[in-house]
Amino acid sequence: DIQMTQSPSTLSASVGDRVTITCRASQTISSWLAWYQQKPGKAPNLLIYKASSLQSGVPSRFSGSGSGTEFTLTISSLQPDDSATYYCQQYNSYPLTFGPGTKVDIK
Amino acid sequence: EVQLVESGGGLVQPGGSLRLSCAASGFIFNNYWMTWVRQAPGKGLEWVANIKQDGSEEHYVGSLKGRLTISRDNAKSSLYLEMNSLRVEDTAVYYCARSRHCIEGLCYTSYYSDYWGQGTLVTVSS
Repeated sequence: DIQMTQSPSTLSASVGDRVTITCRASQTISSWLAWYQQKPGKAPNLLIYKASSLQSGVPSRFSGSGSGTEFTLTISSLQPDDSATYYCQQYNSYPLTFGPGTKVDIK
Repeated sequence: EVQLVESGGGLVQPGGSLRLSCAASGFIFNNYWMTWVRQAPGKGLEWVANIKQDGSEEHYVGSLKGRLTISRDNAKSSLYLEMNSLRVEDTAVYYCARSRHCIEGLCYTSYYSDYWGQGTLVTVSS
């Protein structure tokens, strides 16, 4: 199985800050990576697919990059509504696997 | 509007069985793979299973294989998850999600999930 790791596990930043979350795969997954945002008590929401493609309706301050085994999710200017947990998911091979999540708090 | 509504969760004793349902609307159900993902209380997301549009192909997470069966009824636009020999560690919110979009053998998206239901809570406890 492909193991996904994320760093940091938690981060606290101020409104307007640039925030970067890293996701690493235990083996190459090409660009078959998605990012999701989840708020407490809610279902996950797709932000990015194929490593860097922005899902329709997602604010342009979110962007993704990377390929192979290392990927990043960047929020260019953190907003209060971005307080959430962010998960990466590889869909290169079965079983599909998620990272452990990164919790983003607003200072 | 795409809607996915799960049902069937509840309290079940260890060793028991449960069948979860997901009613889909707002899209052509039989053009999409469908997926179940679960989340234990306070924990991260765990992909559970998915199924091809016509039900001819299924995939499961290894740790649950043999205890789960994913199925679908395209006439009813419904997805199901049959769970047997339930354990305390199966306690989680179970989400239904829409996945790969394919029409007549041509696939336009991959296996990520673009719409999710609100989830149904399964509690396994004596």
